[in-house]
This record gives sequence, C-alpha cells and structure tokens, in this order.
Amino acid sequence: EDQVTQSPEALRLQEGESSSLNCSYTVSGLRGLFWYRQDPGKGPEFLFTLYSAGEEKEKERLKATLTKKESFLHITAPKPEDSATYLCAVQGSGAGSYQLTFGKGTKLSVIP
Amino acid sequence: DSGVTQTPKHLITATGQRVTLRCSPRSGDLSVYWYQQSLDQGLQFLIQYYNGEERAKGNILERFSAQQFPDLHSELNLSSLELGDSALYFCASSVAGASNTEAFFGQGTRLTVV
Repeated sequence: EDQVTQSPEALRLQEGESSSLNCSYTVSGLRGLFWYRQDPGKGPEFLFTLYSAGEEKEKERLKATLTKKESFLHITAPKPEDSATYLCAVQGSGAGSYQLTFGKGTKLSVIP
Repeated sequence: DSGVTQTPKHLITATGQRVTLRCSPRSGDLSVYWYQQSLDQGLQFLIQYYNGEERAKGNILERFSAQQFPDLHSELNLSSLELGDSALYFCASSVAGASNTEAFFGQGTRLTVV
C-alpha cells in the first residue's frame, strides 16, 4: 500500500524567511510524485510532477526535489500570498496505480 | 481556473437522502477521478473512470456509485446518506488513464448531511 507522510503539519514563517517542507513516501514503483497547493475551500492546484530521484523543478519561489524516499518543497523568500496548504501525492505502479495517494498536507502561513 | 467544473458548489441534505454530484472534465481529458476530503482523513481516492469505463476503485462505500457518460462528464451518486458523509468531494481529470500525467482538480462540492 502506497503511503505518504508530510511534515511539519503546520509551519509559520516570516515574510522572506526561507524553509522546506518534507514529503516521505513508500510506494511500489514510483510513476510520479506530485505537489499541489490548496487554498481553503478550493480544489488542489497542480504545481509540479517529479519522476525520478535527482530531479528538480522550479516555479517562482518554489523548488521541488526528489530522492528515492522523500521529496522536499523549498520555499525561498516567501510572501504572504504563498500561504496555503501544500499537498504531496504519489502514483505507484502497483495494484490501483491509477490514482494519487495524498499526504495530509503542510499548512503554511507567511506572516508579513 | 483548472477547466474542471463541478456542480453544485454546496449541498445540504438530510440523513437517509440521496444526492448526485456532477463533474465536467477539462476539454480533451478522458479520465475522471473522484476524491473525498474530510478534516481528519485528507484526500481519499474514491473511483476513476476512463473514457466511459470504470478503471480503478479506492475506498468507495457500497452506498456510493459513479458513472461517466459518452460526453465524458461524470456523476457521483451518494445514497442513504449519513452524518459522516459530510465532506468536500472533488473531481479531477487528466488526459490519460494510467500514465503519470498530472490531474487537475475542480473546486469541489461541499456536502453537509444534517
């Protein structure tokens, strides 16, 4: 069974204070690891897909990296508008591989 | 805007009732996924349809069912509703059925069972 654990559950940062969110996973054959951003009461918004260890992707102040056991979402000089819940999900190649298995998310608050 | 449309946005109903949630996928997407999100469980996969056929099932209750129509829109039917069914229900769509393509989510339907 695929499993995803995200830490910390919640993170408060001052504006401009860089940090990282962690996503640890166990999966039988990783097809892809996905990062989403979710604002309260809204649907998850796609950010990145990572496919293999060593891969990195960037978008504005966000950078996602992947190893064989975990992924990090680095946030550089965050702004208040980066406040949201960040969700990590994996897609494996075992039985039921078509869906995403999500972690419970990290709620990020960026204080001006 | 992800291009995935869900209706209604909010639904309040009584225990024991039946409701239907509707999803229109992004133009060109053949796969539709349904997820349930509650405060304590996070996003849980329910079921996937690909081009009209059921492709995968998750932890979907027997009281719940879904279908995908020839125009590719999908409906999730929830019956004999219980208080614990109160949650956000999301639909997502992707181009393919079994590859590692990203899925795009709708804005969800918030179901409240009273």
